Amino acid sequence: NAGVTQTPKFRVLKTGQSMTLLCAQDMNHEYMYWYRQDPGMGLRLIHYSVGEGTTAKGEVPDGYNVSRLKKQNFLLGLESAAPSQTSVYFCASSYYRGTYEQYFGPGTRLTVT
Amino acid sequence: GQQVMQIPQYQHVQEGEDFTTYCNSSTTLSNIQWYKQRPGGHPVFLIQLVKSGEVKKQKRLTFQFGEAKKNSSLHITATQTTDVGTYFCAGHNYGQNFVFGPGTRLSVLP
Repeated sequence: NAGVTQTPKFRVLKTGQSMTLLCAQDMNHEYMYWYRQDPGMGLRLIHYSVGEGTTAKGEVPDGYNVSRLKKQNFLLGLESAAPSQTSVYFCASSYYRGTYEQYFGPGTRLTVT
Repeated sequence: GQQVMQIPQYQHVQEGEDFTTYCNSSTTLSNIQWYKQRPGGHPVFLIQLVKSGEVKKQKRLTFQFGEAKKNSSLHITATQTTDVGTYFCAGHNYGQNFVFGPGTRLSVLP
């Protein structure tokens, strides 16, 4: 099992450009999450999904969109990148919310210039 | 909304010394999880605490959940260089998502 994978690993964007980050999990998890990690601020939830075809906003959703057309995939989109979106993005998945551990992907380091 | 704080933000210890990080929530939690992130890596689940006053041990690591279920601690006995990383707590309330603390970064000097 590959667990949770993310593509790409690194990306540099110019302000105003768009991109999509892909997350895939092979553990048949219902829940999937997108976090951003900034120095000194821990992990902040951007969007999450409780199942195929569903998405919901997290703590910091502005400037991002998500889609979950297939249970195993969760896409994070930036329509018009801004320097404030420079961060490390982690995808995670879990069976359900609450008492189940989250499995994290290796992360995507995004720089917006 | 729920807030989770951790102290200290950084801790530098000599190899063999003990280390403790504290996690405090603004609200009562249903359960709390701890994760470790090695430098350049991703968070990895360590343990979950559910019951008031619960204490769990993993070799040199001891995890504790407060009686009021608003705070938790992670204690490492006799640190080793392999303990280097950032330790996060994540608090959960029923029906809500986990909220992660800002983490405590541990460095161990050999």
